[in-house]
Amino acid sequence: GQQVMQIPQYQHVQEGEDFTTYCNSSTTLSNIQWYKQRPGGHPVFLIQLVKSGEVKKQKRLTFQFGEAKKNSSLHITATQTTDVGTYFCAGPSSNTGKLIFGQGTTLQVKP
Amino acid sequence: EAEVAQSPRYKITEKSQAVAFWCDPISGHATLYWYRQILGQGPELLVQFQDESVVDDSQLPKDRFSAERLKGVDSTLKIQPAELGDSAMYLCASSLVTSGTDTQYFGPGTRLTVL
Repeated sequence: GQQVMQIPQYQHVQEGEDFTTYCNSSTTLSNIQWYKQRPGGHPVFLIQLVKSGEVKKQKRLTFQFGEAKKNSSLHITATQTTDVGTYFCAGPSSNTGKLIFGQGTTLQVKP
Repeated sequence: EAEVAQSPRYKITEKSQAVAFWCDPISGHATLYWYRQILGQGPELLVQFQDESVVDDSQLPKDRFSAERLKGVDSTLKIQPAELGDSAMYLCASSLVTSGTDTQYFGPGTRLTVL
């Protein structure tokens, strides 16, 4: 079946360093969504990308949707301790439209 | 800001017992989702409602799980009997419409531990 995969699974960085997580889908996506889940919390919607090659920024976060609409990335510049959490990408199933989540990338930031 | 409500937040039960979780979506949201999230993994959809109708329950273990949304507002997810492998976080989410492009708003979840 359709799969959404993320790498790396875990990332430990020193505060101030940059961080990138990558998301790959086995099929072309109509859109991709990114969510953040703080430790002990629930997923919170960050952004949605729809167009091929789209790049969106939210302060220190930069999101990119690949030209083929099968991959995406999230880059955080100069990480802060508040960035700690698990970042999930999710794309709709081509058959049913339901969101398929990647397994997430857990970011730890050392102060 | 409106939020999705869930209760209980934590539930510990013994295997073979019955458990039930409740969810109240954001007012006006027609679509309601129940997800299961195992530690270290992303949420996996169990069932999706559009108003009171089930849109997708292909991943719901129907021999032991049931879900209802009788009046198209709040919803209940039941497990009977619970098994050890059911230990997980059960998340409820809602969205305005049924669409792969619509933002989903998640509740705080119910963490289930089956002993």
